[in-house]
Amino acid sequence: GQQVMQIPQYQHVQEGEDFTTYCNSSTTLSNIQWYKQRPGGHPVFLIQLVKSGEVKKQKRLTFQFGEAKKNSSLHITATQTTDVGTYFCLESGYALNFGKGTSLLVTP
Amino acid sequence: EADIYQTPRYLVIGTGKKITLECSQTMGHDKMYWYQQDPGMELHLIHYSYGVNSTEKGDLSSESTVSRIRTEHFPLTLESARPSHTSQYLCASSVGGKLFFGSGTQLSVL
Repeated sequence: GQQVMQIPQYQHVQEGEDFTTYCNSSTTLSNIQWYKQRPGGHPVFLIQLVKSGEVKKQKRLTFQFGEAKKNSSLHITATQTTDVGTYFCLESGYALNFGKGTSLLVTP
Repeated sequence: EADIYQTPRYLVIGTGKKITLECSQTMGHDKMYWYQQDPGMELHLIHYSYGVNSTEKGDLSSESTVSRIRTEHFPLTLESARPSHTSQYLCASSVGGKLFFGSGTQLSVL
């Protein structure tokens, strides 16, 4: 699978603020997956998006897949300290290459 | 959560030693992967397998080797450890494209 570019690389927010991370690809993606890795932990699967324009929600997390299937976003509403970690996106494929992810720091 | 196990959890060894990091999964997944990750950095794919007797190198050049004699077992071996091998090694298996990770082995080579 190809590696998508993710921005920002780091984000520091106050608890209660919103947070968004973006993944962008120069080519059409067949799907996009999101993972979360807590400090000192291992990546945990969050969600997979497959359809053009797809939007899925998990409590305070909203995942979107672009109409052209070249970008995706993860939005967290009213961040909490438990949201701290690194969020990765990747296209599921033959060899699964992760990008650098977005590291989120939430201060109380 | 998936059943994928890595041992040891932590390992400190001297330079030149041969080591094997163990990874086992009980889900019958055909696809398995090894990643290397330094603190705060990205995951680098170093090896993967699509089934028994199938192994491939990932994008990151690695001096390690792997074997896949049984579906459930995907060990990684370093013939002669060096300080540059100090890192966290994460094993994963997948089904339907969804990755399940073990807790990792933190390796320190002195």
